[in-house]
Amino acid sequence: DGGITQSPKYLFRKEGQNVTLSCEQNLNHDAMYWYRQDPGQGLRLIYYSQIVNDFQKGDIAEGYSVSREKKESFPLTVTSAQKNPTAFYLCASSIPGAAGANVLTFGAGSRLTVL
Amino acid sequence: QKEVEQDPGPLSVPEGAIVSLNCTYSNSAFQYFMWYRQYSRKGPELLMYTYSSGNKEDGRFTAQVDKSSKYISLFIRDSQPSDSATYLCAIFSSNTGKLIFGQGTTLQVKP
Repeated sequence: DGGITQSPKYLFRKEGQNVTLSCEQNLNHDAMYWYRQDPGQGLRLIYYSQIVNDFQKGDIAEGYSVSREKKESFPLTVTSAQKNPTAFYLCASSIPGAAGANVLTFGAGSRLTVL
Repeated sequence: QKEVEQDPGPLSVPEGAIVSLNCTYSNSAFQYFMWYRQYSRKGPELLMYTYSSGNKEDGRFTAQVDKSSKYISLFIRDSQPSDSATYLCAIFSSNTGKLIFGQGTTLQVKP
């Protein structure tokens, strides 16, 4: 089945540590995204990539980094510079819809907790 | 003012009720309107996608768009306990490439 696989599902981190969240898709989608979800705030865009070896900052990129070396993979690193990293992280991918809208397919998410 | 406003609820209804979920938006440049459903500890999944003003039906779900009022709605008929989830509206402008999500409304349908 085609889809997006995020791992790990749950992750605990000590303050000051970097952690990397994996996102792999087999949908052959060009664009990939990382969102952060906090209670009462909806989804906020961290980074996105429309093609391999290219990515752009979203609305809340500070303290995060990404790479896009392969079409299928878009890992997110949460660095120690991110002041409040405890959140639910969602990876998504897309192709333009029939009328150009970005219809997103999401992974199951990774919940990061900083101890 | 947020570009997209959505009442977070929670909203609790009895099984069989008609549910109305709503979002308002501020920018008339938004052209495409989506509703996502998100079960607890899962990723969102697309429910409905529409472009024009008016209604779009899919089974028990109806998406309604009123561009003149900048108001979108999702109606769920004959609600079921399996409809208990968070519903997120999402609005897109192809001019700016911006996709904005509402905060999500948490719905509980009680048997």
